[in-house]
Amino acid sequence: EAGVAQSPRYKIIEKRQSVAFWCNPISGHATLYWYQQILGQGPKLLIQFQNNGVVDDSQLPKDRFSAERLKGVDSTLKIQPAKLEDSAVYLCASSLEAYSSYNEQFFGPGTRLTVL
Amino acid sequence: AQKVTQAQTEISVVEKEDVTLDCVYETRDTTYYLFWYKQPPSGELVFLIRRNSFDEQNEISGRYSWNFQKSTSSFNFTITASQVVDSAVYFCALSEPSQGGSEKLVFGKGTKLTVNP
Repeated sequence: EAGVAQSPRYKIIEKRQSVAFWCNPISGHATLYWYQQILGQGPKLLIQFQNNGVVDDSQLPKDRFSAERLKGVDSTLKIQPAKLEDSAVYLCASSLEAYSSYNEQFFGPGTRLTVL
Repeated sequence: AQKVTQAQTEISVVEKEDVTLDCVYETRDTTYYLFWYKQPPSGELVFLIRRNSFDEQNEISGRYSWNFQKSTSSFNFTITASQVVDSAVYFCALSEPSQGGSEKLVFGKGTKLTVNP
C-alpha cells in the first residue's frame, strides 16, 4: 500500500515570497491533516479536512496560510507571503475518518521549508 | 486545554542499555487516547502504539513496553536492550476534541534518543 506522498521535500524561499506544498493521502482515507513542526517541537495541527470539507482550522494563520482539498483527495497548503518564523517542516497525514480516535494517522515524509 | 509534557529533551545511551522515555499529560476529558510516535532522521512519523483511557494494562511489543498510569497521568515508554536503530525522536501525543466533533492530536515536544554502539 502506498503511503502519504508529499512534495517538494525541501524548499528555500525568501521572506514575502509565496510557496505551496502538495499532499496525496493514502487511497480511501477520508481525513487529511496538515501539521507544522518547528525545529525542536512536536507537530502542531494547522488544518483538518474530512473529505473536501474543513473540520478544524482553528490554528491556521488565515491571514497568510490557505489550504484546499478539491475533490476530497489531494490537498495543497499555501503560504503567502512567507515570514521567517514559517521555517519548519510541514507534515501531511491521513486517516480513514475523523470521528474516532481509533484511527491511526499515517504521516508523509514532510516538506522542510526554509525562509531566508 | 490538553497538554503533553516530555521533560527529557535528549537521552544518550549505549547499545543494549534499557531506556525509559517519560510522558505526562493533562486533560479534563474522561475518555481520551494516548499515542507514541517515532520520528527517525528521515522525518516520517511512525505510529507505535495507541492506548485508550479505560485500558490501564501495560503493553509489551518485542523490546518495547508501555506503562500507563492514570493516577499519575503518565504514559511512559521503555525500550529494552536498545539498538542503534532505535535512535530517533519519540513523541507522545494525546487526543483532543476538535471543531466539528472530531478528534485531533496534541503532541509533546519530543525526546531525542541517541543509542551509541
